[in-house]
Amino acid sequence: KNEVEQSPQNLTAQEGEFITINCSYSVGISALHWLQQHPGGGIVSLFMLSSGKKKHGRLIATINIQEKHSSLHITASHPRDSAVYICAVAPNTGTASKLTFGTGTRLQVTL
Amino acid sequence: ETGVTQSPTHLIKTRGQQVTLRCSSQSGHNTVSWYQQALGQGPQFIFQYYREEENGRGNFPPRFSGLQFPNYSSELNVNALELDDSALYLCASRRDPNTEAFFGQGTRLTVV
Repeated sequence: KNEVEQSPQNLTAQEGEFITINCSYSVGISALHWLQQHPGGGIVSLFMLSSGKKKHGRLIATINIQEKHSSLHITASHPRDSAVYICAVAPNTGTASKLTFGTGTRLQVTL
Repeated sequence: ETGVTQSPTHLIKTRGQQVTLRCSSQSGHNTVSWYQQALGQGPQFIFQYYREEENGRGNFPPRFSGLQFPNYSSELNVNALELDDSALYLCASRRDPNTEAFFGQGTRLTVV
C-alpha cells in the first residue's frame, strides 16, 4: 500500500462543475503539498499546508491531521484547470524535501 | 512563472555516458532538491542540498551526485547512465528547508 493515496485517479468534468480530489496518507507529516502538473512536465506548487484550510482564487485546500486526509477543491472549473494534480507529504522527521508523492489525479475539464 | 529554471529541457544520451543537468534557483533560496519522475509515476526524491552541502538523500545509488553553488544554481550529475534513468528530472528550490517549494519545468532525459 502506498504511503500517499489519491482518488480518483482520473476525473472528467464539465466546465463550471465543482471538483474534489482526495488525498489520504499513512505517515506522520510536517506539511502536505498540492501540486499541479501540466503536459510537458513542469510542476506548480498550489498549496503547502499543515492544518486547517487555505484558499487561492477558485482553489481551496483542506487538511485533517487526525484523519490523515486532505482535499483539493476547484470551484467553477474551467478547461484550463485540466492537468494532473499531485498530493505530496513532507515527513515530520528528517529532510523536509524528502516528499512522498501520490500518483496524481488526471483532471479533464470539457466545455 | 516559478523563478526556477532548468536546462536543458530535453536530452538524449547513450547508455554508459555521463550527464549533467542544471537548475537555477530563485535568489535567496538556499535549499534545492532534485526529483526523478518516471513516465506515469509520481516523482521520487533523489537528494537535497542546503547551503552547498547534501543533507538528505533518497534511495538512489552513488552514481547520482550533485553540487550547489553560492549563486543559487545547482547541478545533478548521473554517471554510467542506464536505460531506466530515462525520466523527467525536476528541481525545486526553497528559501529554507521548511518553506514552500518552487519547481522548475524539468529536464526530460532519454537514455538509449
